[in-house]
Amino acid sequence: EAGVTQFPSHSVIEKGQTVTLRCDPISGHDNLYWYRRVMGKEIKFLLHFVKESKQDESGMPNNRFLAERTGGTYSTLKVQPAELEDSGVYFCASSQALTGVYEQYFGPGTRLTVT
Amino acid sequence: AQSVSQHNHHVILSEAASLELGCNYSYGGTVNLFWYVQYPGQHLQLLLKYFSGDPLVKGIKGFEAEFIKSKFSFNLRKPSVQWSDTAEYFCAVNAYSSASKIIFGSGTRLSIRP
Repeated sequence: EAGVTQFPSHSVIEKGQTVTLRCDPISGHDNLYWYRRVMGKEIKFLLHFVKESKQDESGMPNNRFLAERTGGTYSTLKVQPAELEDSGVYFCASSQALTGVYEQYFGPGTRLTVT
Repeated sequence: AQSVSQHNHHVILSEAASLELGCNYSYGGTVNLFWYVQYPGQHLQLLLKYFSGDPLVKGIKGFEAEFIKSKFSFNLRKPSVQWSDTAEYFCAVNAYSSASKIIFGSGTRLSIRP
């Protein structure tokens, strides 16, 4: 079974530019999450999709960040315009929508560097 | 506020030494508890988890963790570390039996001297 995949693995952009990150969850996983780790700090939650709906977007830092999950499969996270403080590693995770145990499986992350 | 505190930022041990990484959490309500590990160049992966039942949980690669509810702690232990345990370890929590967001600690970098 393929794991969670993310693209690109690394992106370097200038301040003010736009970047779009992509996440492909494990097939059949209805739950998809975005997290971010900035400058060696803790990994912080950004938002949670259940299928194509945003279940919780309480962690989105501001309106420069836009996440979509059209069709309930892959998701994109767009940063527009990017700022220096957006640099970090963006992780995606997915989990099955079962009652009880919800293990989240993580992708390898996208390292975003804003210069 | 919901939070996870990991006591050590960087731990350096020699092979065969015993390991204990501290973790305390603050969370209103019943929780699921996790330890994740990220080996150099690899994905975050689940080391072990606690949902209910026996508070002593055994995970992969000889790791175990003990949930002490009265202390809001979930410390990770391994009796004898190996060089291959060099990694970053994250304690984490989320709401019991739910698909809600995970709250992570800041991570502990473990370096093992061969």
